[in-house]
Amino acid sequence: KNEVEQSPQNLTAQEGEFITINCSYSVGISALHWLQQHPGGGIVSLFMLSSGKKKHGRLIATINIQEKHSSLHITASHPRDSAVYICAVSGSSGDKLTFGTGTRLAVRP
Amino acid sequence: NAGVMQNPRHLVRRRGQEARLRCSPMKGHSHVYWYRQLPEEGLKFMVYLQKENIIDESGMPKERFSAEFPKEGPSILRIQQVVRGDSAAYFCASSLGMNTEAFFGQGTRLTVV
Repeated sequence: KNEVEQSPQNLTAQEGEFITINCSYSVGISALHWLQQHPGGGIVSLFMLSSGKKKHGRLIATINIQEKHSSLHITASHPRDSAVYICAVSGSSGDKLTFGTGTRLAVRP
Repeated sequence: NAGVMQNPRHLVRRRGQEARLRCSPMKGHSHVYWYRQLPEEGLKFMVYLQKENIIDESGMPKERFSAEFPKEGPSILRIQQVVRGDSAAYFCASSLGMNTEAFFGQGTRLTVV
């Protein structure tokens, strides 16, 4: 069993829909990260959080430490949101990241 | 303030050659991480370095792979005698310290022919 599990693996949405991507982890962490990767592109850090909720534009990330679960929400989705979204955790020592396998999102116009 | 710079973006090597991948961290960042993304797989940790020190190399293959982060200049990931299975995207990330946000480079896509 992977230390970081994401669901769904693939997601197709219509433009304007509200999107939720889930991440569960099984180890103690110091922080959880949400990353975005466009095809053939680099990796962009969206959020780093260790408790509660963060919001940036149309993106919202939440984490429940007791349940070891995080969600990434995208409101009013747009085709340019199409990318792979990756959940990653940094361990108790706060250094290297352990990654989920990613959620491939396609938003259709 | 330039982000994390990796070069080259694309690298083609024949089997048996050496590959050198470079990573210049963000200004002021002294922590560098290398990750590998094999085709259709997730990212995996390789090595964590601070200036002149390897802190954690638990993800590095035992042979042919080495990494350094000298006092001056970029961090280098070196792969000797490359094989087809080394074909992957190699990403570098840097941070100010532990428990701080990591910033990623654009990656180097290595193809071994």
